[in-house]
Amino acid sequence: EIVLTQSPGTLSLSPGERATLSCRASQSVNSGCLAWYQQKPGQAPRLLIYGASSRATGIPDRFSGSGSGTDFTLTISRLEPEDFAVYYCQQYGSSPITFGQGTRLEIK
Amino acid sequence: QVQLVQSGAEVKKPGASVKVSCKASEYTFTGHYMHWVRQAPGQGLEWMGWINPNSGGTNYAQKFQGRVTMTRDTSITTAYMELSSLRSDDTAVYYCARGGYYADQWGQGTLVTVSS
Repeated sequence: EIVLTQSPGTLSLSPGERATLSCRASQSVNSGCLAWYQQKPGQAPRLLIYGASSRATGIPDRFSGSGSGTDFTLTISRLEPEDFAVYYCQQYGSSPITFGQGTRLEIK
Repeated sequence: QVQLVQSGAEVKKPGASVKVSCKASEYTFTGHYMHWVRQAPGQGLEWMGWINPNSGGTNYAQKFQGRVTMTRDTSITTAYMELSSLRSDDTAVYYCARGGYYADQWGQGTLVTVSS
């Protein structure tokens, strides 16, 4: 199974700053089959990015995804207060589908 | 808009089974796979498997093979996930989530607590 390792575990930034979250796979992810989700306390995850770089419906353009093969990045260009949450990457190119362990984005 | 409404919280004893339902509305139920994902308290997301509501075909994570059964009733656009031989480490929020491979809509989650 493909193991996804997210870094950093916790990222402390201020509103208005740029956030860069990393997701590294233990083997190549087929056809860029990588998604990113945002989860706030007590809520279900929300799809942000699929296909490594396509924004889901209704997701602001300050969120962008990039990468291929084994290295993927989620970038939030200018942090808004509502962006502080936990972010998970997921690969769906190989079975079993797997998630990273998450990056907590907290207010500095 | 698309809605996935799950059944309420459950408390079960070790060794028992639990069946969680997920009622889908405002989209073609048979047109999208349904995933089940769980999240233990304070932990990350764990994929359990999916069901194809059109055919009833399933794909389970190896970890849950033999203990999980995913079914659906197309007449009432509802998917089900049954987990048997429950242990304390099965205590988690269980989510249904619509999608082919990635999940674009999620249910609200069902807390299953396993305790003697």
